[in-house]
Amino acid sequence: GQQLNQSPQSMFIQEGEDVSMNCTSSSIFNTWLWYKQDPGEGPVLLIALYKAGELTSNGRLTAQFGITRKDSFLNISASIPSDVGIYFCAGHLNQAGTALIFGKGTTLSVSS
Amino acid sequence: DVKVTQSSRYLVKRTGEKVFLECVQDMDHENMFWYRQDPGLGLRLIYFSYDVKMKEKGDIPEGYSVSREKKERFSLILESASTNQTSMYLCASSPLRGAGNQPQHFGDGTRLSIL
Repeated sequence: GQQLNQSPQSMFIQEGEDVSMNCTSSSIFNTWLWYKQDPGEGPVLLIALYKAGELTSNGRLTAQFGITRKDSFLNISASIPSDVGIYFCAGHLNQAGTALIFGKGTTLSVSS
Repeated sequence: DVKVTQSSRYLVKRTGEKVFLECVQDMDHENMFWYRQDPGLGLRLIYFSYDVKMKEKGDIPEGYSVSREKKERFSLILESASTNQTSMYLCASSPLRGAGNQPQHFGDGTRLSIL
């Protein structure tokens, strides 16, 4: 099936650092979503993006829907220990009624 | 807030058993989904449903079936469990509006071990 390329696969950072991760595809998406999954829990929606060029913030998190509609990035500013987890991008292809396509996740580790 | 509830957090079953994983959502969502999550492979879609008694195969339906007799409940069935079905199973739901491109909301998952 379709794939989203999410990078990096993992990150090890110090508390207070900024973080950036992104997802790319060869296909056009009309929705981009970013989820976070804590250990042993289900993914929780962080940010939803619906328009090309859209830039949306949720606290220290900022995500953008790429102009080409083939990519998206997520930035986390001033990381804290509770930011640890797996971050997934997901998107809907530019077709009605299709299921979400997920990236394979970025595992974030934060040391204090 | 949307609440997606999976009946078990942890489950241990034996090879060959018929296994039922239950999922209930309380937001009257039309769409419901079952995924499995394995290290290095991300989330893979098993089956989904857009309406009662309706089902569609996802990317990895082999060895699984589903049932949606009521709008709020979506069951995943392992007809004859095998060890390669040991995994984390995630249920999700979303509303159907416009083109249906609404975020999915997930349950906490069921970690299933097949011995």
